[in-house]
Amino acid sequence: QSALTQPASVSGSPGQSITISCAGTTSDVGLYNYVSWYQQHPGKAPKLMIHDVTNRPSGVSNRFSGSKSGNTASLTISGLQAEDEATYYCSSYTRSSTLVFGGGTNLTVL
Amino acid sequence: EVQLVESGGDLVQPGRSLRLFCTTSGFTFGDYAMTWVRQAPGKGLEWVAFIRGGTNAGTTEYAASVRGRFTISRDDSKSIAYLQMNSLRIEDTGIYYCTCGHSPSKSESWGQGTLVTVSS
Repeated sequence: QSALTQPASVSGSPGQSITISCAGTTSDVGLYNYVSWYQQHPGKAPKLMIHDVTNRPSGVSNRFSGSKSGNTASLTISGLQAEDEATYYCSSYTRSSTLVFGGGTNLTVL
Repeated sequence: EVQLVESGGDLVQPGRSLRLFCTTSGFTFGDYAMTWVRQAPGKGLEWVAFIRGGTNAGTTEYAASVRGRFTISRDDSKSIAYLQMNSLRIEDTGIYYCTCGHSPSKSESWGQGTLVTVSS
């Protein structure tokens, strides 16, 4: 199972919106609505930000939203804040009943 | 409050074995899937294995890179998940995180991780 494809880095200014893509295949992202997004700050454990493509866990800011089109999922962060600077990972359940992560995207808030 | 605490990480030689523990509290352990995710130094996240809870409790899945060498298990009476790692390789080095979720596809809570170093 190959890793999902994410851009290595994205950047934006405070207050702006950014979108991170997560490209998979018809055997994972395109097959199920079981895509999750995680935020990881340096030296910290990851944190679940979005699950089941669009759902935000309790306590996660509504500035974070998820979507999917075909084999590609996306995470959008609106109203960028300095604290959003982190690495973001997507993951998907697969046809083989396994999980696969993306390579991670480093978000820089300029 | 949900808490997951990993332990058992150590420095081991290639070919040796290690057992990791994930001690939990603050949730109904038997209802949750338990997952191990690892992160090699300076690299991204890699899914290792999960064991389902709830109606399919005890069924397991493994990443191809560890299948046949690692075994995930759980003791619902103690609220502990385990990862038995045999025939360790240098590329198994990294931080191992334990996670829990209502389904394997979403890791709702994470532990702080335990470091496994495989080196001669």
